[in-house]
Amino acid sequence: DAGVIQSPRHEVTEMGQEVTLRCKPISGHNSLFWYRQTMMRGLELLIYFNNNVPIDDSGMPEDRFSAKMPNASFSTLKIQPSEPRDSAVYFCASSLGGGGATDTQYFGPGTRLTVL
Amino acid sequence: SQKIEQNSEALNIQEGKTATLTCNYTNYSPAYLQWYRQDPGRGPVFLLLIRENEKEKRKERLKVTFDTTLKQSLFHITASQPADSATYLCALGDDKIIFGKGTRLHILP
Repeated sequence: DAGVIQSPRHEVTEMGQEVTLRCKPISGHNSLFWYRQTMMRGLELLIYFNNNVPIDDSGMPEDRFSAKMPNASFSTLKIQPSEPRDSAVYFCASSLGGGGATDTQYFGPGTRLTVL
Repeated sequence: SQKIEQNSEALNIQEGKTATLTCNYTNYSPAYLQWYRQDPGRGPVFLLLIRENEKEKRKERLKVTFDTTLKQSLFHITASQPADSATYLCALGDDKIIFGKGTRLHILP
């Protein structure tokens, strides 16, 4: 298996632009997670899906952020409009089970977002 | 609020020695604790999971302890090697997991 696939790997954009990050989870996994990592705040869970349904989006910072999972093999995280403080590495992860604490999460390589 | 603390300063250990990393938590009673390894430019990779009723767990050169009274987990790497240099994250949870910020470990040859 190729593991979790994320695209793009790097994104540089200007403030106010729309940014879309993409993720393909491991085939057969039932849960998908979006994280943001910064030096200051560490790894923060933004949202997670189970069987394509959003379960917990309490980590989404504000309405500028939205995430979708139209099918079991694809998810997007969109930021509109983007701001410099959104600059971070965004990780997607997937797990076999329901997303609970006993699930092993498999992380993608991340997307490094820079908003100028 | 729930808080997970890992030493923010890098830990330098001589090759061959045992490296010990600490994860403390407050305002939380997790049933499970996980440790992940993260290399620069990569996503975290799962290493070990320990349950609250397990005091200790081992995997090859890795050993994890979980003390629910002290609210602390210790992560040990025995016979450390330069290839063990990375950032190590602890993660706690019940229905979902929360990650600590990680500790950078440098194994010096």
